[in-house]
Amino acid sequence: AQSVTQLGSHVSVSEGALVLLRCNYSSSVPPYLFWYVQYPNQGLQLLLKYTSAATLVKGINGFEAEFKKSETSFHLTKPSAHMSDAAEYFCAVSSRPSGNTPLVFGKGTRLSVIA
Amino acid sequence: DTGVSQDPRHKITKRGQNVTFRCDPISEHNRLYWYRQTLGQGPEFLTYFQNEAQLEKSRLLSDRFSAERPKGSFSTLEIQRTEQGDSAMYLCASSPTGVAYEQYFGPGTRLTVT
Repeated sequence: AQSVTQLGSHVSVSEGALVLLRCNYSSSVPPYLFWYVQYPNQGLQLLLKYTSAATLVKGINGFEAEFKKSETSFHLTKPSAHMSDAAEYFCAVSSRPSGNTPLVFGKGTRLSVIA
Repeated sequence: DTGVSQDPRHKITKRGQNVTFRCDPISEHNRLYWYRQTLGQGPEFLTYFQNEAQLEKSRLLSDRFSAERPKGSFSTLEIQRTEQGDSAMYLCASSPTGVAYEQYFGPGTRLTVT
């Protein structure tokens, strides 16, 4: 079964600093991978997705993620944190290699941005 | 494209009561998913539909839970004889049919069972 591990339930960075949120997946074949962001009391918004095209994926709000098959990782980065980036971030993988199937989510990482 | 909508946004009910939630997907989306999210956790899959057909149900979906999508448009999720453990955010998502499409999430319905 597919699974996702997000290292660090809480990450705190200073405004303007690099953001790095870690995600490792377990899958026997190249998966479809997603990063979603959730603001308090709201649903999830897609930041970016990996669908076996380019390994470096650019998303919204200046975020990007790199798919590394050898490390089974899909870490999310942003060069310069902004106060508005404070939210909960979830990494997810398609439950089956065929894609567009139920998603398996990590437990999430809460990002705090300090002024 | 008005996005996925869910109703109600909040529901407080007493243990043992039945509740029903509604989800309206993005109009051209064939697939509709239900997830449950408890505090401090990521969403967990409950069930999903392709048009009106329910394709898969998670083992989390006990026999007190039932979901329908009668005309392939909106969907309802009913919980019978609610328990305190049912308190959670219930999220609905929709997507077009196709391999690489992402799921678009609604704002969720927060259920509190007292």
